[in-house]
Amino acid sequence: EVQLVESGGGLIQPGGSLRLSCEASGFSASDNYMSWVRQAPGKGLEWVSIIYSGGTTYDADSVKGRITISRDNSKNRLFLQINNLGTDDTAVYYCARGLPYGSGYGFDLWGPGTVVSVSS
Amino acid sequence: SSELTQPPSLSVSQGQSARITCSADTLANQYTYWYQQRPGQAPRLLIYKDSERPSGIPERFSGSSSGTTVTLTISGVEAEDEADYYCQSADNSGSSFVFGTGTTVTVL
Repeated sequence: EVQLVESGGGLIQPGGSLRLSCEASGFSASDNYMSWVRQAPGKGLEWVSIIYSGGTTYDADSVKGRITISRDNSKNRLFLQINNLGTDDTAVYYCARGLPYGSGYGFDLWGPGTVVSVSS
Repeated sequence: SSELTQPPSLSVSQGQSARITCSADTLANQYTYWYQQRPGQAPRLLIYKDSERPSGIPERFSGSSSGTTVTLTISGVEAEDEADYYCQSADNSGSSFVFGTGTTVTVL
């Protein structure tokens, strides 16, 4: 089955760090661009970061300098390292697969999300 | 990418058509994508490249573009279409992505 499953979320104190993981199955994540998108409670979707097949990465200005997106092709997994967490990082974090190259810059497969809650 | 503006909410009677707009100056030369998000679920891609529909998406969902405004139309709204809808765009190099403010559709 083609799917994405995120893990690694939880309750974290402000200033802490977290590494989120996204396991892809049914397809090779390295053949696609992959992204992280988050959604704060009761709010809209916010793009966080993207990694392309060749390894190029881009981050949203709101998190630049505090996050690192990476990929382990051998394990078909995507990661997101978030440092110096603040309360405004509280959100559901989704892993998303990019459309096939040539179909533009959108996301055609999403995981169920993992919840990150930053609180003391 | 600049902010994409959507109406916060829309109410539509079952069987009627719903039109959701998404506006930004950048949309004049960038493609737009549309997602549906039902409560407690992950987003689902409905439309890509302004008007293309992925396999498995019902034909009642369609997209169009005119200048700086793009529109998602749901023809013959069904009860299951009650959800939040988001547009999304990216710059032409794929280095910056932005989602719209979201529209909650209520089916009467």
